[in-house]
Amino acid sequence: RKEVEQDPGPFNVPEGATVAFNCTYSNSASQSFFWYRQDCRKEPKLLMSVYSSGNEDGRFTAQLNRASQYISLLIRDSKLSDSATYLCVVNRYNFNKFYFGSGTKLNVKP
Amino acid sequence: EAGVTQFPSHSVIEKGQTVTLRCDPISGHDNLYWYRRVMGKEIKFLLHFVKESKQDESGMPNNRFLAERTGGTYSTLKVQPAELEDSGVYFCASSQSLRASTDTQYFGPGTRLTVL
Repeated sequence: RKEVEQDPGPFNVPEGATVAFNCTYSNSASQSFFWYRQDCRKEPKLLMSVYSSGNEDGRFTAQLNRASQYISLLIRDSKLSDSATYLCVVNRYNFNKFYFGSGTKLNVKP
Repeated sequence: EAGVTQFPSHSVIEKGQTVTLRCDPISGHDNLYWYRRVMGKEIKFLLHFVKESKQDESGMPNNRFLAERTGGTYSTLKVQPAELEDSGVYFCASSQSLRASTDTQYFGPGTRLTVL
């Protein structure tokens, strides 16, 4: 079983739409959680860390459900520039290696 | 502040040849990581340096891969001899603090390796 599972998509949405991605992780010892964004043929870039209490950064909201071992990312008022692959990343306590999901591709259309 | 840099950006070699990838982390970052993405798969961890010491090399595929970080600054990843299945994008990342398990990792642009 993979450490981190994501729906690969693609999610095709119109500008202005709200879109949500989920991600599940298999190891209950996972401690730190992140969403990274990766544009085509570029490096992953941190979008936001995910905290137990949930956190919001502008149009982006991340939630963590430890009991169910899933993480979500909500994007409101989608922009064309949000088109990218969104990577769910987890890190276990005392381990310093990231476990990546395979990514969810988002296409925002005019 | 300069980000993580990697060289070369692309490398095309023949099976059996040797290739050396280089990573320069963000200045002051003690933690340096190598990851790899092969086509159609997720990004996977290769190894982690803390300064010049290998902290975790559990992801290294086999002994054809050798990573070094002399002096605790830049790192090299050598593949010798290269095989077809080594093709992929090799990412380097760095992070700052001693509590590396919760640290943000900053990624370089990657080296796209093609083995023919």
